[in-house]
Amino acid sequence: EAGVTQFPSHSVIEKGQTVTLRCDPISGHDNLYWYRRVMGKEIKFLLHFVKESKQDESGMPNNRFLAERTGGTYSTLKVQPAELEDSGVYFCASSTLPDTQYFGPGTRLTVL
Amino acid sequence: GENVEQHPSTLSVQEGDSAVIKCTYSDSASNYFPWYKQELGKRPQLIIDIRSNVGEKKDQRIAVTLNKTAKHFSLHITETQPEDSAVYFCAANFYGQNFVFGPGTRLSVLP
Repeated sequence: EAGVTQFPSHSVIEKGQTVTLRCDPISGHDNLYWYRRVMGKEIKFLLHFVKESKQDESGMPNNRFLAERTGGTYSTLKVQPAELEDSGVYFCASSTLPDTQYFGPGTRLTVL
Repeated sequence: GENVEQHPSTLSVQEGDSAVIKCTYSDSASNYFPWYKQELGKRPQLIIDIRSNVGEKKDQRIAVTLNKTAKHFSLHITETQPEDSAVYFCAANFYGQNFVFGPGTRLSVLP
C-alpha cells in the first residue's frame, strides 16, 4: 500500500510570508497527526484529526498555524505569517488503529 | 501531561556489539510504546512497539522491554551493523492520543 505522502519536501520562505503544507494519509486511515521537529530536538505533537474533526489541537503553538482536513482525506497546515522560529521539519502521520502511526517523509521548512 | 526522557543522546558501538537505549515516561496511564528509527533525510520508521500488557517483545535482532512499575522501557539491538546507524526515538501514548517522543538517540555503528 502507498505510504503517507507530504508536499512539498522542502520550502524556503521569507519571514512574514505564508506557506501551506499538505499531507496525504494512507487510504482508509481516519487518524491524522501533525508533528514538528525543530533544530534536531524531539518530535513534538501539533494536532490530531479523526476524519475531518480536530480531536486534539493542544500542540498548536499559536494562531498563526491553521490546520484543515476537509472531507476527512488529505490535510493542510498553513502558517501565516511565518516567523523564524517556525523553521523545522513538519511530519504528518496516520493510523487506522488508535496507536500504530505511520509517518510521512516530512516537509523541511526554512524561514529566512 | 506525559514526559518522556531518553538516554543516551549519542551512542557509538563497534559493529557486532549490542546497543541499548533507555526511556522513562511519567504518565502511568500510557499503554503503548513504539520505537522509531530515522535515517538521515528519511521518515521515521516504526521498528518495534510494545503494549502495556506485555513485558518483552523481540523481532530478530531487535527487542524491547517494558517495566510498567518503574515506568521505563528499553530498546536492545544485538549484532549491530553499519546500517543500524540512525537516530532512534522512543514514544509513549495512551490509547488514541498523540505520541510524546523522547529527544532521540544518535546511534553510530563503527565498522
